[in-house]
Amino acid sequence: GQSLEQPSEVTAVEGAIVQINCTYQTSGFYGLSWYQQHDGGAPTFLSYNALDGLEETGRFSSFLSRSDSYGYLLLQELQMKDSASYFCAVIIGGYQKVTFGTGTKLQVIP
Amino acid sequence: DAGVIQSPRHEVTEMGQEVTLRCKPISGHDYLFWYRQTMMRGLELLIYFNNNVPIDDSGMPEDRFSAKMPNASFSTLKIQPSEPRDSAVYFCASSPGKVETQYFGPGTRLLVL
Repeated sequence: GQSLEQPSEVTAVEGAIVQINCTYQTSGFYGLSWYQQHDGGAPTFLSYNALDGLEETGRFSSFLSRSDSYGYLLLQELQMKDSASYFCAVIIGGYQKVTFGTGTKLQVIP
Repeated sequence: DAGVIQSPRHEVTEMGQEVTLRCKPISGHDYLFWYRQTMMRGLELLIYFNNNVPIDDSGMPEDRFSAKMPNASFSTLKIQPSEPRDSAVYFCASSPGKVETQYFGPGTRLLVL
């Protein structure tokens, strides 16, 4: 089976940088996606990593290390609107199964 | 462009009743996913289709749940009979050609009394 671990909660100050980690254990790993979900809303795709390294999209970056079975989402210049839950999701090769982590609730404070 | 459309947005029903949730994916997307989200179990993949064909239904909790995709623009998730433990938010998502980038609908909030 697959398992993913994320911190349940993170608090950070507006304007700062925060890193949300995701470790996984799975066979047939294909890639790692990140999604954002505001309270009462639907998940929204943020980024995807299939190869080792950093992917940057504006204030958000995502990193993957396949050898360490580890990835993270980096949010820079935090804004109050970034307060949300962030999910990592592993994609398994073959017929490409998707499994979501339990999510990290980020609270941005003034 | 219209996103993924789900109906109804809210559903309140009594235990034992049949519930049908509907989804219209984004036009041109060939993958469609059904998820269930609860506080206790998080976001769970129930089933997904590729080109209207079910690919992985290992997440469907039991025989009371069934899903169909009769054409590229419509899918249903049916629960019969419904139970209180089915209360959750059910999301439909679609994607164009790859599972790693999914576009979620607004969800259906189901309450079974």
